[in-house]
Amino acid sequence: DIQMTQSPSSLSASVGDRVTITCRASQSISSFLNWYQQKPGKAPKLLIYVASSLQSGVPSRFSGSGSGTDFTLTISSLQPEDFAIYFCQQSDSMPYTFGQGTNLEIK
Amino acid sequence: QLQLQESGPGLVKPSEALSLTCTVSGGSMYTSSYYWGWIRQPPGKGLEWIGMIYYSGGTYYNPSLKSRVTISVDTSKNQFSVKLSSVTAADTAVYFCASLGYDSRHFDYWGQGTLVTVSS
Repeated sequence: DIQMTQSPSSLSASVGDRVTITCRASQSISSFLNWYQQKPGKAPKLLIYVASSLQSGVPSRFSGSGSGTDFTLTISSLQPEDFAIYFCQQSDSMPYTFGQGTNLEIK
Repeated sequence: QLQLQESGPGLVKPSEALSLTCTVSGGSMYTSSYYWGWIRQPPGKGLEWIGMIYYSGGTYYNPSLKSRVTISVDTSKNQFSVKLSSVTAADTAVYFCASLGYDSRHFDYWGQGTLVTVSS
């Protein structure tokens, strides 16, 4: 199985900050990397697919980059509604696997 | 826009089978555009892909669960289901159904999730 490792596991930031979350795959996954946002009691919501494509309806302050084994999710200017848990997920090969999550909290 | 909704028992006894159904609305499941999948999340923990099914019936399972899981589809009812046998407390989780694009390979539509507790 491909292991997905996110860092940091938790992050405190303020409204307006620029935030970057990283995700590393245990082997190359080309660009088959997706990012999700999850709020308490809700299903994950797709933000970014194939590493850098913005899902329809997602604000442009979210962006993704990377290929191979190293990927990043950047939020350019945090808004109050962005405080949530973020997961990366590889879809290069089955079994599809997720990172452990990054808990983005208000400072 | 697709909508997915999980249904099934919220409490299952150890050693018994867990069975959940996902009802899809807003589009037909009989399409080559999507896989139909199950993902679970133990309380306070991360996400685990259980498996998925194609409209034609082809299935793909997580090897960690393959011996205990069966996913089936009923396109006439626009539903797909998961059955997990011989459950233990470790199978207590929120179970989500979701659609995964055949070409895009990302989970774009999700059900709200349903908590299944394994307890006697």
